[in-house]
Amino acid sequence: AQTVTQSQPEMSVQEAETVTLSCTYDTSESDYYLFWYKQPPSRQMILVIRQEAYKQQNATENRFSVNFQKAAKSFSLKISDSQLGDAAMYFCAYRGNTPLVFGKGTRLSVIA
Amino acid sequence: NAGVMQNPRHLVRRRGQEARLRCSPMKGHSHVYWYRQLPEEGLKFMVYLQKENIIDESGMPKERFSAEFPKEGPSILRIQQVVRGDSAAYFCASSPAVEASNQPQHFGDGTRLSIL
Repeated sequence: AQTVTQSQPEMSVQEAETVTLSCTYDTSESDYYLFWYKQPPSRQMILVIRQEAYKQQNATENRFSVNFQKAAKSFSLKISDSQLGDAAMYFCAYRGNTPLVFGKGTRLSVIA
Repeated sequence: NAGVMQNPRHLVRRRGQEARLRCSPMKGHSHVYWYRQLPEEGLKFMVYLQKENIIDESGMPKERFSAEFPKEGPSILRIQQVVRGDSAAYFCASSPAVEASNQPQHFGDGTRLSIL
């Protein structure tokens, strides 16, 4: 069974600085998709960024980018120029031939 | 609002009662997924449905829980004879029909179920 591990329960970052959230996963599948979701205090689940495993190029969405290392099964999220509105729980998720599998999340605090 | 709509936003039930959670997918989406989130946990998959069909219910508890997605109307997650351990946030997500496996799922705002 696929598993997703987020080893950092909590992280903090100064406003305008950069932070990296870690995610590793375990799978025997070769085709899959990886996602980062943001869950602010309102509890919405907001898709931040998505990566197809067959693409070598790392996905980027404005201030959000990923470092996808397929051989290492690592999928970290980098947030640049952190803003107060980035404070939230961040969940890494995997999807192959199974429904979405989520990690336990990392709570990100942004310090003004 | 063309997003995934869940209602109610909050639901309070006493032990032994039934809870019914509703989800209307995004316009044009015919695949619905239900997830449960316990406090301080990630979301756990429960069931995947298309119109009138359950595709994957591997995450559903064997007893008391059921789900449907009728031809007309919203998807319903039903929990019978609720217990305290059912207290959680229940999220619905939807995706388009075409190549659903590689489409990102769009989530509703969730229903927070509290059992007294």
